Amino acid sequence: GNSVTQMEGPVTLSEEAFLTINCTYTATGYPSLFWYVQYPGEGLQLLLKATKADDKGSNKGFEATYRKETTSFHLEKGSVQVSDSAVYFCALSDNPPHTFGTGTRLQVTL
Amino acid sequence: DTEVTQTPKHLVMGMTNKKSLKCEQHMGHRAMYWYKQKAKKPPELMFVYSYEKLSINESVPSRFSPECPNSSLLNLHLHALQPEDSALYLCASSQETVMNTEAFFGQGTRLTVV
Repeated sequence: GNSVTQMEGPVTLSEEAFLTINCTYTATGYPSLFWYVQYPGEGLQLLLKATKADDKGSNKGFEATYRKETTSFHLEKGSVQVSDSAVYFCALSDNPPHTFGTGTRLQVTL
Repeated sequence: DTEVTQTPKHLVMGMTNKKSLKCEQHMGHRAMYWYKQKAKKPPELMFVYSYEKLSINESVPSRFSPECPNSSLLNLHLHALQPEDSALYLCASSQETVMNTEAFFGQGTRLTVV
């Protein structure tokens, strides 16, 4: 079946540091890949997506590239802010829809 | 309008109570979902409705009963729940279930069963 593996958290960074959150997947088909963000007490919001190999999704300074050869979709941001503190979920969408990774908590400090 | 609205935001219910969670979207999406999320865990899919018909039931206990009265509304009826059912219940919608499109999530209903 489909699965998504994310790096264990929490990840604690100082403001303006570089962020990488690793995500790898296993899928039988050709899924779309997503990163969602969840702020405390809220639902999930789509951060970015990629629908085919070599696509790069980007939003709000975050980027991730769909790498079919390494089955990866790592999330990166060049300079994090305190407001980026949240839980980040990697997900794939094939059948059934939206298999989520376990989530990675990011804490950014001043 | 790109929102999925869930009510209530918080619910406390006894194990003998009957209650309902409600979800509404006006984006014209034809797929709607219920997820359950425990603390520090990812959302777990419970039910999928496609064109107002139940298409996926992830072996959810019968004390959870979904209903899709029309294309904009999704309900989750709760009866005889257990304390371990306490969780954040998330509703989501998407254009289709053929999924190259993202899901839009509501803010969730935080349910406590006492």
